[in-house]
Amino acid sequence: NAGVTQTPKFRILKIGQSMTLQCTQDMNHNYMYWYRQDPGMGLKLIYYSVGAGITDKGEVPNGYNVSRSTTEDFPLRLELAAPSQTSVYFCASTTAAEKLFFGSGTQLSVL
Amino acid sequence: AQRVTQPEKLLSVFKGAPVELKCNYSYSGSPELFWYVQYSRQRLQLLLRHISRESIKGFTADLNKGETSFHLKKPFAQEEDSAMYYCALRDSGSARQLTFGSGTQLTVLP
Repeated sequence: NAGVTQTPKFRILKIGQSMTLQCTQDMNHNYMYWYRQDPGMGLKLIYYSVGAGITDKGEVPNGYNVSRSTTEDFPLRLELAAPSQTSVYFCASTTAAEKLFFGSGTQLSVL
Repeated sequence: AQRVTQPEKLLSVFKGAPVELKCNYSYSGSPELFWYVQYSRQRLQLLLRHISRESIKGFTADLNKGETSFHLKKPFAQEEDSAMYYCALRDSGSARQLTFGSGTQLTVLP
């Protein structure tokens, strides 16, 4: 039972670099989400998808991009990394009536 | 816009004492509310949801629409309850988004 798998677990970027955070789920869930978790701020929604080929912005989308070419995969792209993007990133998935299943998180530092 | 407020960032209680983690919400529709928990070095996971009216690990939460609250309670806290707790509200729209509160770090002291 893999569930939601995120890679990498840790990453350090220099300002201006780019990277892709990978997220894949094997539960055939239509809904997928990317959140960032900052101390004292809770989880903020970055982007979400209600199915393959459909994505939309959440509360804090600036500096990020996503794609959803398959039901399983929902990668998050950071272009021109900035220190403000230092955070822990969580991917999650669900069906319409189910609870959210979370990945184990990616801890990203931008220096 | 929907909003979830958890007024306490940190909460410490002694083992065996009652614990209440506060959650208030604002939402124009009929709310669907949850408590998620993150234990140290573990993934975020669902603790309970209001529609289930269940007790999980001794925790209960009652939706009070008049006070727009969904406080989490346990009569006798245990050390293993120490964790970060998030209250969340689910959007009734097509995206089924969850809006999270800022979280409460609960520490149960021996």
